[in-house]
Amino acid sequence: GNSVTQMEGPVTLSEEAFLTINCTYTATGYPSLFWYVQYPGEGLQLLLKATKADDKGSNKGFEATYRKETTSFHLEKGSVQVSDSAVYFCALSPYGGATNKLIFGTGTLLAVQP
Amino acid sequence: GAGVSQSPSNKVTEKGKDVELRCDPISGHTALYWYRQSLGQGLEFLIYFQGNSAPDKSGLPSDRFSAERTGGSVSTLTIQRTQQEDSAVYLCASSSRQRPQETQYFGPGTRLLVL
Repeated sequence: GNSVTQMEGPVTLSEEAFLTINCTYTATGYPSLFWYVQYPGEGLQLLLKATKADDKGSNKGFEATYRKETTSFHLEKGSVQVSDSAVYFCALSPYGGATNKLIFGTGTLLAVQP
Repeated sequence: GAGVSQSPSNKVTEKGKDVELRCDPISGHTALYWYRQSLGQGLEFLIYFQGNSAPDKSGLPSDRFSAERTGGSVSTLTIQRTQQEDSAVYLCASSSRQRPQETQYFGPGTRLLVL
């Protein structure tokens, strides 16, 4: 079946540190991959996405590359800010299904300290 | 433009009561999804509507859960005879087309607490 595994949190970093949140997936075919972010007290927002192998999604200084050979979509940012503190969810949408439901990982809490 | 809206934002109910949760998708979006976010289960898919097609109900956890979408727009999720394990945040999302790569836009959610 389809599933997403992401690193457990919380991840605590100092401002300007490098961030990596690991995400691996299991899926048949060629799913689309997403990172969603949930800031404190707010709803889920799309952060970035990639729809085919070797695509790189990027937004707000965050990047993730769709790696089919390692079935991974790790989230990276070169220099985090306090305002990046949030819960990050990796998700996939299976290819070819009648329903484009999102399958989410468990979420990773990021806390950035000044 | 306006995003996905949900009401109520919070709902407290007693075990055994029925509740209705409402979702207004982004205007023109034909696909509508319900998800549930709970401490024990994370984010899980419940039900999907696409245009006039039969909904995909494969994620509904029991027959106490049902949903409808009237006129291809507003959707209502109904939970009958609520149980404490139904306590969660119920999220609605919509997208413009039925493609896997299409972005789903989420509403703020309804936080349900069953006492």
